[in-house]
Amino acid sequence: DVKVTQSSRYLVKRTGEKVFLECVQDMDHENMFWYRQDPGLGLRLIYFSYDVKMKEKGDIPEGYSVSREKKERFSLILESASTNQTSMYLCASSLRTGEAFFGQGTRLTVV
Amino acid sequence: KQEVTQIPAALSVPEGENLVLNCSFTDSAIYNLQWFRQDPGKGLTSLLLIQSSQREQTSGRLNASLDKSSGRSTLYIAASQPGDSATYLCAALDAGTASKLTFGTGTRLQVTL
Repeated sequence: DVKVTQSSRYLVKRTGEKVFLECVQDMDHENMFWYRQDPGLGLRLIYFSYDVKMKEKGDIPEGYSVSREKKERFSLILESASTNQTSMYLCASSLRTGEAFFGQGTRLTVV
Repeated sequence: KQEVTQIPAALSVPEGENLVLNCSFTDSAIYNLQWFRQDPGKGLTSLLLIQSSQREQTSGRLNASLDKSSGRSTLYIAASQPGDSATYLCAALDAGTASKLTFGTGTRLQVTL
């Protein structure tokens, strides 16, 4: 089975902290994605990557950065966490033209 | 820019009814269209994937169709059950090197006894 694993299920961080969310996939997928999901706003794409060291901005990249040094790992970085970044964060991966698979999600609370 | 819309936003049906969920997208240059299910507080579970060259896919009581020319996909659920209650999302994977996966806002389905 395809497995996409996010490093934490729940996180609580303080305002101003640097936060790392890690995502690992085990199926050699080229594409990886980070979304946030908020009530009434649906899934919004933050960043995506189609190859190692390649990244593209999604619809809401402000306040976030990403890193993809290895094919299986895609990290989302909140440079200085703010309360408006409290959300559910979802990672996904797919082959270039194939089915996308999601991790279990990380519920981040910034206090 | 790809935009994906789902109608209706919410739907309540009695158990046993057949129902159709709609998804429309603005850019037909896609690799595939995928349907997901999401239970409250959980991640997304893939239900069906339709490649751009296909017209439909079936899995059990679920059937999804794709009409690229009109920018539409439908998810048909036969003989609905209370366990089908969830939010259903569709997503389009753009064709090209940098393939963006764009989601609709979902349809929240409740199947009542």
